[in-house]
Amino acid sequence: EVQLLESGGGLVQPGGSLRLSCTASGFAFSNFALSWVRQAPGKGLEWVSTIGTGDDTYYADSVKGRFTISRDISKGTLYLQMNSLRADDTAIYYCARNPVGGFFDSWGQGTLVTVSP
Amino acid sequence: EIVLTQSPATLSLSPGERATLSCRASQSVSSYLAWYQQKPGQAPRLLMSDASNRATGIPARFSGSGSGTDFTLTISSLEPEDFAVYYCHQRSKWPWTFGQGTTVGVK
Repeated sequence: EVQLLESGGGLVQPGGSLRLSCTASGFAFSNFALSWVRQAPGKGLEWVSTIGTGDDTYYADSVKGRFTISRDISKGTLYLQMNSLRADDTAIYYCARNPVGGFFDSWGQGTLVTVSP
Repeated sequence: EIVLTQSPATLSLSPGERATLSCRASQSVSSYLAWYQQKPGQAPRLLMSDASNRATGIPARFSGSGSGTDFTLTISSLEPEDFAVYYCHQRSKWPWTFGQGTTVGVK
């Protein structure tokens, strides 16, 4: 069974940093692209970032230059390093798996990031 | 950036009725469109990939159609568990984008 488990969320002040982790199991981690998708309270879904199987990376304009996606294949873990956090980064952050088709076929349960003084 | 516009924003229907949800793209996304269902407090779930391919375990009452800029998700006969928010998503061009969602609520 595919499982994705996010951790690392919490309360952080504006301008601060946070690193999210997503531990994967039940599939060949290195064979899939992986993404972060967020959802602000009461709002819709927003794609944040994707890392491909060749470690190519892609970012939404809203986070480019502030967030960094990476993966550790030996640990089966996806990361999102978030710097210079702003109030509008407050959201539930989901990690999701991307098969070859590029859609999101499995999702974690999400981790809440709150950016507030 | 490709903008996806979903309509209507809200659908109020009764169990057993047919639901028709629309997603329109600001430019062609070919068939690179997916649909997701999200219930309160839960992560989204993939329903449909590449416009019309049902994901594993998705009931046959869900169907998808369209290509280019106009897409439709149809639920042929609503079950109680189908009342939720539905999002479309394009992976044709970076940045990937989502529609704003359609809420299917109980009438």
